[in-house]
Amino acid sequence: NAGVTQTPKFQVLKTGQSMTLQCAQDMNHEYMSWYRQDPGMGLRLIHYSVGAGITDQGEVPNGYNVSRSTTEDFPLRLLSAAPSQTSVYFCASSSAGSHEQYFGPGTRLTVT
Amino acid sequence: AQSVTQLDSHVSVSEGTPVLLRCNYSSSYSPSLFWYVQHPNKGLQLLLKYTSAATLVKGINGFEAEFKKSETSFHLTKPSAHMSDAAEYFCVVRLGFQKLVFGTGTRLLVSP
Repeated sequence: NAGVTQTPKFQVLKTGQSMTLQCAQDMNHEYMSWYRQDPGMGLRLIHYSVGAGITDQGEVPNGYNVSRSTTEDFPLRLLSAAPSQTSVYFCASSSAGSHEQYFGPGTRLTVT
Repeated sequence: AQSVTQLDSHVSVSEGTPVLLRCNYSSSYSPSLFWYVQHPNKGLQLLLKYTSAATLVKGINGFEAEFKKSETSFHLTKPSAHMSDAAEYFCVVRLGFQKLVFGTGTRLLVSP
């Protein structure tokens, strides 16, 4: 039981490049979310999903796309990276009946 | 809108002395509140949660928090700090559909 896994752990991109941050969970959780963490700002919700095929925007969705084709996977796509997207990204999952979200170890992204 | 305010960005204590991390919340109804801990270069772990049951909530590693509606507070305490408690702590309020709103965090420093 691996919990929530994220790849890669570190990534450096040039402005304008695209990439996908991967997130997978093996707990059969219905809910999955993506957050970004910036110094002095806590974590902010980017996108979330309440089940396969259902996604919605969070607090800071601009510049990011998501899809949820399976229960296990919830990738986050950066279409055209910008320096403002330099951050640490966390994926989280939870079951529908629980208040607890389980977080992955994070991906540290730098955009130059 | 629901939000949380963490009143201290840094708290320094000596090992063996009490810990107090302060959090005030803003909500138009009874909120679900959480404390999460993040150790350096790690993901987030749930310490404890308040969901309208007992107002004194006990969590892991000897931490507890008291929900005080009259003061709109949910302060985190521990009777005796340990070196391993050094980390960043986040007070969190839950919106619908597992959406979490994070405070800006309090970094706890523990000196020997």
